[in-house]
Amino acid sequence: ILNVEQSPQSLHVQEGDSTNFTCSFPSSNFYALHWYRWETAKSPEALFVMTLNGDEKKKGRISATLNTKEGYSYLYIKGSQPEDSATYLCALVGASSASKIIFGSGTRLSIRP
Amino acid sequence: EAGVAQSPRYKIIEKRQSVAFWCNPISGHATLYWYQQILGQGPKLLIQFQNNGVVDDSQLPKDRFSAERLKGVDSTLKIQPAKLEDSAVYLCASSPPLGDEQYFGPGTRLTVT
Repeated sequence: ILNVEQSPQSLHVQEGDSTNFTCSFPSSNFYALHWYRWETAKSPEALFVMTLNGDEKKKGRISATLNTKEGYSYLYIKGSQPEDSATYLCALVGASSASKIIFGSGTRLSIRP
Repeated sequence: EAGVAQSPRYKIIEKRQSVAFWCNPISGHATLYWYQQILGQGPKLLIQFQNNGVVDDSQLPKDRFSAERLKGVDSTLKIQPAKLEDSAVYLCASSPPLGDEQYFGPGTRLTVT
């Protein structure tokens, strides 16, 4: 059974500070790794789709890296702002036709003004 | 472009009652997903459709849950009879092909009392 782990579960960061969190997954049977941001009372929103080992993607102050050989991805937020407060989810897409899409339980980020 | 639509947004029912949720995906998206998200956990895939065919329903509790996508567009998810542990947010998502980012609806928050 595939297991996707996210750490930490929750994080409180001062506005203006930078932060990062981790998504760990089994390195075998990898097809893609997705990152989503889920703000309270809104729909989850896709941030990145990562497929290649060594990938690094950036959207504004948010960036992500991928290491498929060791099975982890990091999400970085530079200069946190109150609007970054959300739950950040990663999801593993497996390569075989029998593979499910497995979400981690998320990292809940709160930004203190 | 219109997003994924879901209704109702909220539903409160008593245990042993029935409930149905509706989802209209983004036009042209062949793949449709239903997820169950219990508080504190990541979304769990219940069923995945490719057009009107089921790709994966291995985590759908088939004794009480059913889903259909008859014309390959809209989908309904039904619970009959509901249990207390079914209280969750039910998310619908759609994507072009598998592995691409998913577009989520706002979800239906179900409370079973």
